[in-house]
Amino acid sequence: RKEVEQDPGPFNVPEGATVAFNCTYSNSASQSFFWYRQDCRKEPKLLMSVYSSGNEDGRFTAQLNRASQYISLLIRDSKLSDSATYLCAVNDTGGFKTIFGAGTRLFVKA
Amino acid sequence: SAVISQKPSRDICQRGTSLTIQCQVDSQVTMMFWYRQQPGQSLTLIATANQGSEATYESGFVIDKFPISRPNLTFSTLTVSNLSPEDSSIYLCSVGRSPNTEAFFGQGTRLTVV
Repeated sequence: RKEVEQDPGPFNVPEGATVAFNCTYSNSASQSFFWYRQDCRKEPKLLMSVYSSGNEDGRFTAQLNRASQYISLLIRDSKLSDSATYLCAVNDTGGFKTIFGAGTRLFVKA
Repeated sequence: SAVISQKPSRDICQRGTSLTIQCQVDSQVTMMFWYRQQPGQSLTLIATANQGSEATYESGFVIDKFPISRPNLTFSTLTVSNLSPEDSSIYLCSVGRSPNTEAFFGQGTRLTVV
């Protein structure tokens, strides 16, 4: 079983749509969780950290369910500029080493 | 944040040769890592670059193929040895400043082996 699993997509959605990405992780002792965004031919950059209480940043909402070892990302009112690959990431128990999911490709169309 | 300079940004190499990639950070960092991203795939961790000691390799990666140096807290190199077409990939340097915080990445090195 992979350490971090996510639906690879691709997701093709119209502008304005709401889209949800899901991710599961295998190490129950993991302490920190993230969503990264990777544009084509660019390096990954942090989109948002994920906390047990859930957190929101504008149109983006991230949730963590420790009992189910499940992480989600919700994007509301999708924009063309949201088109990218979204990577779920989990840091190991030491807190430094980051393990990435396969990434979910999102295409937002006009 | 961290400013990471990775060189070269791309290279085309003959099979059987080696390529050394450099990663320079603008300030001292605790942890440095090397990842590989094969075409259309996600990031796979190659190893943790340890300052002053041998790197810690992930399963499937060995020192003979991917020798790593880290002479100080701001610099590391990854060498990809005895190149084959299967080594064609993007190689990324990453740093972590403190536990349970985000990872920062260099711009990546796009390697093509012919």
